[in-house]
Amino acid sequence: DTGVSQDPRHKITKRGQNVTFRCDPISEHNRLYWYRQTLGQGPEFLTYFQNEAQLEKSRLLSDRFSAERPKGSFSTLEIQRTEQGDSAMYLCASSLAWLNEQFFGPGTRLTVL
Amino acid sequence: ELKVEQNPLFLSMQEGKNYTIYCNYSTTSDRLYWYRQDPGKSLESLFVLLSNGAVKQEGRLMASLDTKARLSTLHITAAVHDLSATYFCAAPYSGGGADGLTFGKGTHLIIQP
Repeated sequence: DTGVSQDPRHKITKRGQNVTFRCDPISEHNRLYWYRQTLGQGPEFLTYFQNEAQLEKSRLLSDRFSAERPKGSFSTLEIQRTEQGDSAMYLCASSLAWLNEQFFGPGTRLTVL
Repeated sequence: ELKVEQNPLFLSMQEGKNYTIYCNYSTTSDRLYWYRQDPGKSLESLFVLLSNGAVKQEGRLMASLDTKARLSTLHITAAVHDLSATYFCAAPYSGGGADGLTFGKGTHLIIQP
């Protein structure tokens, strides 16, 4: 399977704990995106990378959130000191440069107790 | 700030009928994307519309883009049950082609036999 993969698929944590998610994009895609989706809503853009450079961050990405893509391949999204409001599906997507048709992974569902 | 609005948000229709979903966006954008999401699943790319007047068709679905009116439509012809899903339109975050996407709230479509 050469699609976007994410790990873990589900994460349950207690408030105040740190969590880290991983995304592996489609191999030839140089752009990688993170989104958050809550129930009944469309995905909300968080941040994106072109190769290893983080080029844009939305205002939704608070100081507790950090994303990396160290070698321009996989990416990690870390949430520090989780809050109940962080409970959501975290989606990763990747694309080729010019077309920007984004292919989404299966998502990581985070539940903060 | 780009805003994307879909209409209607909920639609229940019978098999065999035709209907149109509307997507309005608030600022200039040179492209528009349509996605499908089944319950509990990730997003599947349906159409990428790259210019004013673009029309694309796949099976019973046809999408069009009018950049002057800032309007895209997704037309369903002779609906079948398998098309039941949530449909999202999305435009680039800051109007250009290289960005994360701003999504509408989605149109939850139920097609009844």
